[in-house]
Amino acid sequence: EAGVTQSPTHLIKTRGQQATLRCSPISGHTSVYWYQQALGLGLQFLLWYDEGEERNRGNFPPRFSGRQFPNYSSELNVNALELEDSALYLCASSLGQLSNQPQHFGDGTRLSIL
Amino acid sequence: AQSVAQPEDQVNVAEGNPLTVKCTYSVSGNPYLFWYVQYPNRGLQFLLKYITGDNLVKGSYGFEAEFNKSQTSFHLKKPSALVSDSALYFCAVRDRGDSNYQLIWGAGTKLIIKP
Repeated sequence: EAGVTQSPTHLIKTRGQQATLRCSPISGHTSVYWYQQALGLGLQFLLWYDEGEERNRGNFPPRFSGRQFPNYSSELNVNALELEDSALYLCASSLGQLSNQPQHFGDGTRLSIL
Repeated sequence: AQSVAQPEDQVNVAEGNPLTVKCTYSVSGNPYLFWYVQYPNRGLQFLLKYITGDNLVKGSYGFEAEFNKSQTSFHLKKPSALVSDSALYFCAVRDRGDSNYQLIWGAGTKLIIKP
């Protein structure tokens, strides 16, 4: 079974640019979550999508947005990039709205802002 | 407010000794509890979960965790540590009654196993 895949692995941008990160969930998983992890520290919840709709959002500005496609893959868009956006962005998937199911993670996209 | 505490930023253990990584939680309802491990430059890997039933849960790589409702704790344990267990460990909790299915994460504990 293929795991969660994220692309690109690394992304280098400059301040003010826009970044797009992509995520393919495990086959059969309908929920996709996005997290930001700065400097190997804790996880900050960004967004949750299920069945194509945004279900919940963390405490991030509106320039962080995303969407989920009919095949359940997802993309995260970050506009007007700032230096503080440099982080590892992790995507996770799970079996829909089942609260006892674990999330399964990809290896992340390392976003560096110069 | 719901929260998860991992009171130790770092835990140092000699190889072959037992290890414990601590986690306590606060939720308004009954919890689902999870442990994950993160190796350098990798995503998180699911280790084990507590849903219901036996308070001692066994997971991957020889890890286990004990759910203690009265102490609201879910400590991760392993009888004999390996150098390869060195990694960052995260505890997470979800309130069964939360309609947002929000997963609350601890800040992580760095586990260092010395040969």
